[in-house]
Amino acid sequence: QQPVQSPQAVILREGEDAVINCSSSKALYSVHWYRQKHGEAPVFLMILLKGGEQKGHEKISASFNEKKQQSSLYLTASQLSYSGTYFCGTVLSNAGNMLTFGGGTRLMVKP
Amino acid sequence: KAGVTQTPRYLIKTRGQQVTLSCSPISGHRSVSWYQQTPGQGLQFLFEYFSETQRNKGNFPGRFSGRQFSNSRSEMNVSTLELGDSALYLCASSFLNDGYTFGSGTRLTVV
Repeated sequence: QQPVQSPQAVILREGEDAVINCSSSKALYSVHWYRQKHGEAPVFLMILLKGGEQKGHEKISASFNEKKQQSSLYLTASQLSYSGTYFCGTVLSNAGNMLTFGGGTRLMVKP
Repeated sequence: KAGVTQTPRYLIKTRGQQVTLSCSPISGHRSVSWYQQTPGQGLQFLFEYFSETQRNKGNFPGRFSGRQFSNSRSEMNVSTLELGDSALYLCASSFLNDGYTFGSGTRLTVV
């Protein structure tokens, strides 16, 4: 089952913050986050394993709530380069690396 | 180091024909996954291979098949092409169960 992402789209001004959520109806082994710019391939941002850890990548961080099977991606002090579509990908078990992607969140950062 | 290489980049085929797409993963990566990306359906999982074995398969008809060679290079084949098969086909490799590195994709158009 495909994870559900929210919001579907968000428009920000440079310097503003945003949160993108990813929810699954199934127990998760890990959650991945990717960003895809128009006409390009998705680029890996980070992976979170079950255990509720939080990770950071520059001004982008994420958390994983194992009890709720939810992950959130936090974008702080957004930059123009953050524009793109963000996808979460969920993995149900460690028997393989099969990712099921959410529908994506379109993020546009304006000057 | 070299990234994930997919060939060809663009392909135009006629309904009923078959097509083979190729993917060379990052050196040392043994897991290769294939995805179909369309505006309507998003990123849909096709298959995952690890050490020449198919570990996972998505919900696609039997016309879609794949394989992985001993050097980890992978191919996917689509037989009896339909108009609905027009999509961007993305290959991704990973070392074990970690983040994906995607190739630039093959844009398939079926006419």
